[in-house]
Amino acid sequence: SQTIHQWPATLVQPVGSPLSLECTVEGTSNPNLYWYRQAAGRGLQLLFYSVGIGQISSEVPQNLSASRPQDRQFILSSKKLLLSDSGFYLCGRSGAGSGNTIYFGEGSWLTVV
Amino acid sequence: AQKITQTQPGMFVQEKEAVTLDCTYDTSDPSYGLFWYKQPSSGEMIFLIYQGSYDQQNATEGRYSLNFQKARKSANLVISASQLGDSAMYFCAMREGSSYNTDKLIFGTGTRLQVFP
Repeated sequence: SQTIHQWPATLVQPVGSPLSLECTVEGTSNPNLYWYRQAAGRGLQLLFYSVGIGQISSEVPQNLSASRPQDRQFILSSKKLLLSDSGFYLCGRSGAGSGNTIYFGEGSWLTVV
Repeated sequence: AQKITQTQPGMFVQEKEAVTLDCTYDTSDPSYGLFWYKQPSSGEMIFLIYQGSYDQQNATEGRYSLNFQKARKSANLVISASQLGDSAMYFCAMREGSSYNTDKLIFGTGTRLQVFP
């Protein structure tokens, strides 16, 4: 089966500190990968997507960056967190056997204090 | 521009009854896909059902069905025989057909469904 792992599940970080959220996908090759953010009480906003290793597209200008060093690894980073970066971050995958449906991991809760 | 609208911030339904969650969309692309996701309090986003713009019949998946009215640009989710475990946030989402090699979705703001005994 195809699974998505995200870690850490929960993170509390001070303003100005760095961030690294990791997402790995199992059971599939060459998936499309996505990072979405959900602010409190709101829908999901697409931050980044990747169609292959080293290929990153940013959807909105922001304080965050993404990288895809391996086919099944997607990393969300920041050099200096802002309070507005707080939220729930979801990694998703599509393609490679799942058709055009995006399946999501369990998410990472980030609180910037 | 694409847009997904969910006008019901919250809905209540009694156990074993059916409930309809509304979703309207706006797109100029003739090819698109519509999705519904369930998000329980744990936060995980769970895929429920998919409807393609060219599908002739409404999608069904177990107790979930999608009432697709193309002319009205609506894609309402119907949950039959509600269960207590159906209590969650429900999101409608759309993918435009021009995303040939990606499946980028835009999401509505969600509807919180509460099922009571």
